[in-house]
Amino acid sequence: ETGVTQSPTHLIKTRGQQVTLRCSSQSGHNTVSWYQQALGQGPQFIFQYYREEENGRGNFPPRFSGLQFPNYSSELNVNALELDDSALYLCASSFDLFMDEQYFGPGTRLTVT
Amino acid sequence: QQQVKQSPQSLIVQKGGISIINCAYENTAFDYFPWYQQFPGKGPALLIAIRPDVSEKKEGRFTISFNKSAKQFSLHIMDSQPGDSATYFCAASGQGAGGYNKLIFGAGTRLAVHP
Repeated sequence: ETGVTQSPTHLIKTRGQQVTLRCSSQSGHNTVSWYQQALGQGPQFIFQYYREEENGRGNFPPRFSGLQFPNYSSELNVNALELDDSALYLCASSFDLFMDEQYFGPGTRLTVT
Repeated sequence: QQQVKQSPQSLIVQKGGISIINCAYENTAFDYFPWYQQFPGKGPALLIAIRPDVSEKKEGRFTISFNKSAKQFSLHIMDSQPGDSATYFCAASGQGAGGYNKLIFGAGTRLAVHP
């Protein structure tokens, strides 16, 4: 059984650019959540996908969008990058929507200059 | 009402001592309370979790104490080791508080265990 994987590990972008981050869920997990963790803070919920549909969103603007694919892998897209978007982006998977346990990937460190 | 408040911000403990980290919440719809451990450059790892129907849960050296009436829960690390040095996050979620799997995290506690 493989754990949650994310790519890339690190990324440097310029303000105004667009970025796509990728996540592969733990085997058998159909629910993926994305979190943003600013330096020195706890993760903040961005949105969640269940069976390819968005199932809830945190307090993030529409320029944060996502996708979940039939194999339950997922993407986070951020448009019009701002300096404050610099953070560790984490994806977490759960076996099912109604299972509480979430398992996190190692994250993608995004730096916006 | 969605906040989870965590204290202390940082903690220094001698090897073999007990580390205690506290969290408080407001939303009574929360019904799942996990603790995560995070090492630098890594994602959070699920350590232990509790639901409101029990007051204590123990797994190895890690114990969660839960006080439903006070809306508080805490993590106790017994016989703390230098390898326990990490940042610890409490979190909460619930179907009636935004939904399953939508964790609200505390701000974190940086634990240093000195040999």
